[in-house]
Formats: sequence, C-alpha cells, structure tokens
Amino acid sequence: QKEVEQDPGPLSVPEGAIVSLNCTYSNSAFQYFMWYRQYSRKGPELLMYTYSSGNKEDGRFTAQVDKSSKYISLFIRDSQPSDSATYLCAMSAPPSNTGKLIFGQGTTLQVKP
Amino acid sequence: ETGVTQSPTHLIKTRGQQVTLRCSSQSGHNTVSWYQQALGQGPQFIFQYYREEENGRGNFPPRFSGLQFPNYSSELNVNALELDDSALYLCASSTSARGQETQYFGPGTRLLVL
Repeated sequence: QKEVEQDPGPLSVPEGAIVSLNCTYSNSAFQYFMWYRQYSRKGPELLMYTYSSGNKEDGRFTAQVDKSSKYISLFIRDSQPSDSATYLCAMSAPPSNTGKLIFGQGTTLQVKP
Repeated sequence: ETGVTQSPTHLIKTRGQQVTLRCSSQSGHNTVSWYQQALGQGPQFIFQYYREEENGRGNFPPRFSGLQFPNYSSELNVNALELDDSALYLCASSTSARGQETQYFGPGTRLLVL
C-alpha cells in the first residue's frame, strides 16, 4: 500500500464548475500538507501549504486537512481552462531532518470552455 | 518562476552510460532535494543535500549519487543507466532541511534511456 493515495483521474469539468481533489494517507506522522500544480512538461508549482488540520483559503482555492480521517482535499471554485493541469498532493513528517516530500500520483484535471 | 534552474532540459542516453544533471538553487537557499518523476506518477524522493552534505536518501541504488557545491548548486549523477531510469528529474531548493520549509521546484530534466 502506498503512503499517499490519489485518484489519477482524468477529471473533466465544464468551465465554472467546483472541483474537488482528494488524497488519503496512511502515515499519522504527516504534519505538513501541500498541493502542487504541474502543467505539462513543467516542474510542480506550489499552490497551497497547510500545517496540521484545518482549512486554508487563497482566492479560488481552498485546502482542507482532516488528520483524524487521514484525508486532504483541494477545492477549486469557478474553475477556468487555465486550471487544466495535474494536481499533486504532497506531505512531510517533521521533525525529520530531511525535507523529504511524499507525493500522490497526481490527478489530471481538464476544464472545458 | 521559482528561480530554480536545471540543465539540460532534455537528454537521450543509451543503457549503461552515465549522466550528470545540474541544478541551480533559488537565491538564499542552502538545501536541494532531487526527485524522479516517472510518466504518470508523482515525484519520488532520491536524496537531499544540505550545506554540501547528503542529508537523507530515498529508496534509490548507490548508482544514483550527488554533489552540492559551496554556492549551493547541485549535481545528480546516475551511473550504469537502465531503461527504467527514463523519467523527469526534478530538483527543489529550500531555505533549510528541517522538513517544514517550502520546496521550490525547477522545470526538470527529461531523460530518455534507449
């Protein structure tokens, strides 16, 4: 069993839809949770960074962490064609002395005009 | 743009050859991590360098090795290339190695092993 599970999709939605992306994990030591966006043939770009449980909002993006269920989510409101990309969840477990990030497989999102 | 640069952008090698990939960290960052991303998969941690010392390693064989230089730029070396080494190689820099700092990724080097 992988430490982090993420549905690879692909997920196709119409422009303006609310998108929900999810990851589950097995390691209860994870404390830091990130969402990266990766466009085709590019490196991952950090979207959201959350410590422990709770919600964090940034513009059209909301990240949720539920440590009791070992479940994290990213919501995208009013989705745009420019949101079409692969979304990667990532986690780390301090106070390790390495910055090792554990990634999910990535979910490919297509937003149709 | 993150300020992390990688070279070359693309590379084609044959099985058994050796390859060196390079990464220039974002200004002010003293930690660099390398990841391998196979097609359709998430990145997998190879190793991390902090102030020129290896500071953690993932589940990769010893033929994957690295260096970090005094200016905090870094190299990833892979010996005896295998077909399965074909992947996007990403480096990420951060301000320290304590585990909670944001990692900023470069655009990657796409390696094809024939």
